[in-house]
Amino acid sequence: SYELTQPPSVSVSPGQTARITCFGDALPNQRAYWYQQRPGQAPVLVIYKDNERPSGIPERFSGSSSGTIVTLTISGVQAEDEADYYCQSADSRGTVVFGGGTKLTVL
Amino acid sequence: QVQLQESGPGLVKPSQTLSLTCTVSGGSISSGSFYWSWIRQHPGKGLEWIGYIYYSGSTYYNPSLETRVTMSVHTSKNQFSLKLNSVSAADTAVYYCARGLLRVDLESTMTLYYFDYWGQGTLVTVSS
Repeated sequence: SYELTQPPSVSVSPGQTARITCFGDALPNQRAYWYQQRPGQAPVLVIYKDNERPSGIPERFSGSSSGTIVTLTISGVQAEDEADYYCQSADSRGTVVFGGGTKLTVL
Repeated sequence: QVQLQESGPGLVKPSQTLSLTCTVSGGSISSGSFYWSWIRQHPGKGLEWIGYIYYSGSTYYNPSLETRVTMSVHTSKNQFSLKLNSVSAADTAVYYCARGLLRVDLESTMTLYYFDYWGQGTLVTVSS
């Protein structure tokens, strides 16, 4: 099985832009999804199909894709955005892979 | 609003079978659009997909766990279940049930599979 690689941590000051990357060899042929997980809580879907935002997710969350790298961008970061973020993809069979997670710290 | 709730023993002895049930409310488990999934998270670690079951009973498991996993669906109760046998301390984790959307994107022909609703999770500890 293949892997999705994320940086372990990203730090930004409030109001700045946070970018979290996810690398995977199969990503050119697969869609990516992003989840936010606050401490002690279940993950929440924040981006699906590379760049679409579920209802109820703030507009400051956006996603993009370029070849083997997908990126979650959080514009105008707020203190409440401090959380772990996971990318995820799936192959044609439905085998799911998660990235290792990135801890976003709001300074 | 769809809600999922995990239930089951929080402590399982090594070599025994871990059994969990997920109860779905606010929607029918028999809807043809969804694939009911289990995902776990080892303490302080990332997420690991265990597998899914469709309302018809068809299943697909993570190849790394498939020899020990069995999932079943109980449409009359709007529930689905997970059994993981021959557990060890390495199976200690928070177990989540989730609703998965699995379909082919007509625009790109890529397979889409992601999780839009999750249970709160339940910690299962494997210890004697």
